[in-house]
Amino acid sequence: AQSVTQLGSHVSVSEGALVLLRCNYSSSVPPYLFWYVQYPNQGLQLLLKYTSAATLVKGINGFEAEFKKSETSFHLTKPSAHMSDAAEYFCAVRENTGFQKLVFGTGTRLLVSP
Amino acid sequence: EAGVVQSPRYKIIEKKQPVAFWCNPISGHNTLYWYRQNLGQGPELLIRYENEEAVDDSQLPKDRFSAERLKGVDSTLKIQPAELGDSAVYLCASSSGPEDNEQFFGPGTRLTVL
Repeated sequence: AQSVTQLGSHVSVSEGALVLLRCNYSSSVPPYLFWYVQYPNQGLQLLLKYTSAATLVKGINGFEAEFKKSETSFHLTKPSAHMSDAAEYFCAVRENTGFQKLVFGTGTRLLVSP
Repeated sequence: EAGVVQSPRYKIIEKKQPVAFWCNPISGHNTLYWYRQNLGQGPELLIRYENEEAVDDSQLPKDRFSAERLKGVDSTLKIQPAELGDSAVYLCASSSGPEDNEQFFGPGTRLTVL
């Protein structure tokens, strides 16, 4: 079964600093990968997705992620953090067999300090 | 365009009581998902509908959980009887079809079982 691992349950950055949230996947075939953001008491919102096209994917709110097959990684980055980026971020992989369901990681809480 | 609507937003019940959650997906979305999100975890799929048909309910605890989507639009998820371990956020999501890579999530129902 496919899975994703998010390293670090919490990441703290200062406003204006680089944001790096890590995600590694396990899959025997090229996967579809996603990053979602969840603000307090809200549902998940899609930030970006990789579907086997360009390896560098740009999403909303200035976020981007790079698919690296050799490292089985799909890390999320943003050059300059804003206070409004503080939220929970989830990496997910879509199974490419069976019912093709989304499998989520355990999430990383991003804290942004002034 | 209205998003995925869920109600209630919060529910507190005592164990052994029944509870029901309601979801109205985005208009025209044929695929509907129910997820459970435990504290500090990512969402886990409970059941997926294609129109009225439940096509993946392998993760639904069928001894106490049931779901329906009678007319292929709204859906209800029920727990009877609830247990302490059912405390979680129940998320509904929808997409235009099973091959659509973007699922749109509702705000969720936070269930507390005392």
